[in-house]
Amino acid sequence: GQQLNQSPQSMFIQEGEDVSMNCTSSSIFNTWLWYKQDPGEGPVLLIALYKAGELTSNGRLTAQFGITRKDSFLNISASIPSDVGIYFCAGRNRETSGSRLTFGEGTQLTVNP
Amino acid sequence: DGGITQSPKYLFRKEGQNVTLSCEQNLNHDAMYWYRQDPGQGLRLIYYSQIVNDFQKGDIAEGYSVSREKKESFPLTVTSAQKNPTAFYLCASSPFSLSGYEQYFGPGTRLTVT
Repeated sequence: GQQLNQSPQSMFIQEGEDVSMNCTSSSIFNTWLWYKQDPGEGPVLLIALYKAGELTSNGRLTAQFGITRKDSFLNISASIPSDVGIYFCAGRNRETSGSRLTFGEGTQLTVNP
Repeated sequence: DGGITQSPKYLFRKEGQNVTLSCEQNLNHDAMYWYRQDPGQGLRLIYYSQIVNDFQKGDIAEGYSVSREKKESFPLTVTSAQKNPTAFYLCASSPFSLSGYEQYFGPGTRLTVT
């Protein structure tokens, strides 16, 4: 089946620093999604990407759909303490998996004040 | 106020008992999903349903059962056959659209079986 590698697994940064994380797939996706999960809560959708090369922002967050359609990147600028949480990428190939998403393992972000 | 509700937030059961987790959505979404999350791990798909009265197994369906009698409801039963049922269970729903199938998650139910 499809495999999604997300890196890094964890990050420890100082408040104000920029953050980058990425996901790579063994196969092509039509859709890339980025979620954030706070402890004990359900993931919240941050950004959705539908087209190769697409760059989309949501406040301090920017995500890109890789040109090869096998990768995606999420950047967070000027991090703040409330950015702490687990960030998941998810991809979908409508031809091979219909409405099913494949999720990455997550990036645990810690922001030191 | 539209959204997905899961109840209860915390659930405790004795080993050998079946337990049913509730998931309700008022977003008028067609598809609904159940995931399991273990500590420090990602999301694994248990079952999903794209239409009422129809559902498909995900990657880890053994020991679980579901029903989809109404569009807004997708309950999950964790049976005694599930060998390691203690986990965080997440329900999600998504609309059908040409652009994508963004999934929206409920707050989750933490099940502890002893």
